[in-house]
Amino acid sequence: AQTVTQSQPEMSVQEAETVTLSCTYDTSENNYYLFWYKQPPSRQMILVIRQEAYKQQNATENRFSVNFQKAAKSFSLKISDSQLGDTAMYFCAYTGANSKLTFGKGITLSVRP
Amino acid sequence: GAVVSQHPSRVICKSGTSVKIECRSLDFQATTMFWYRQFPKQSLMLMATSNEGSKATYEQGVEKDKFLINHASLTLSTLTVTSAHPEDSSFYICSARDRAGATWRTDTQYFGPGTRLTVL
Repeated sequence: AQTVTQSQPEMSVQEAETVTLSCTYDTSENNYYLFWYKQPPSRQMILVIRQEAYKQQNATENRFSVNFQKAAKSFSLKISDSQLGDTAMYFCAYTGANSKLTFGKGITLSVRP
Repeated sequence: GAVVSQHPSRVICKSGTSVKIECRSLDFQATTMFWYRQFPKQSLMLMATSNEGSKATYEQGVEKDKFLINHASLTLSTLTVTSAHPEDSSFYICSARDRAGATWRTDTQYFGPGTRLTVL
């Protein structure tokens, strides 16, 4: 079975600074997708970024980028120029052949003004 | 694009009554919809997977007779909590996968805004 591990329960960052959220996963599959979802206080799950395992190039979406290390099974999220609106819970997630999402426990990120 | 709605956003009911939650994909067709439950400050727990026109597949430990799921069309899935009790109080979230288009769309789940259920 696949597992996703987010070992940091909380992080805090100063506005405009950069922060990296860690995620590791375990799988025996070769084809899969990895995601970061954001859940702000409204509790709406928002897709932040997506990475296809077969692509070596790291995905980027504006201020958000990932460091995907397939051999190490690591998938960290970097948020540049942090904004107050980035305050949320962030979930790392995996989907493979069974199409189900496996979530990590999540990390609460607070952006300080 | 890829908008999912849920209704109602909040519901309060008496113990023993049934509650229906609707999940709609507004701008795409969804072959598969998922239902999750989330407790405060915790991760999402998958309850069941529903495919249009077929019976839902429930995760281990989820009572299929209590949580009835119907996926009657490519844009609508419903979750009915039958004979609700206070322990069923939770935040319920649905998600949907796009039916067509690039592979990345069919492997990405888009989430509804959630429904907060309170059973008195």
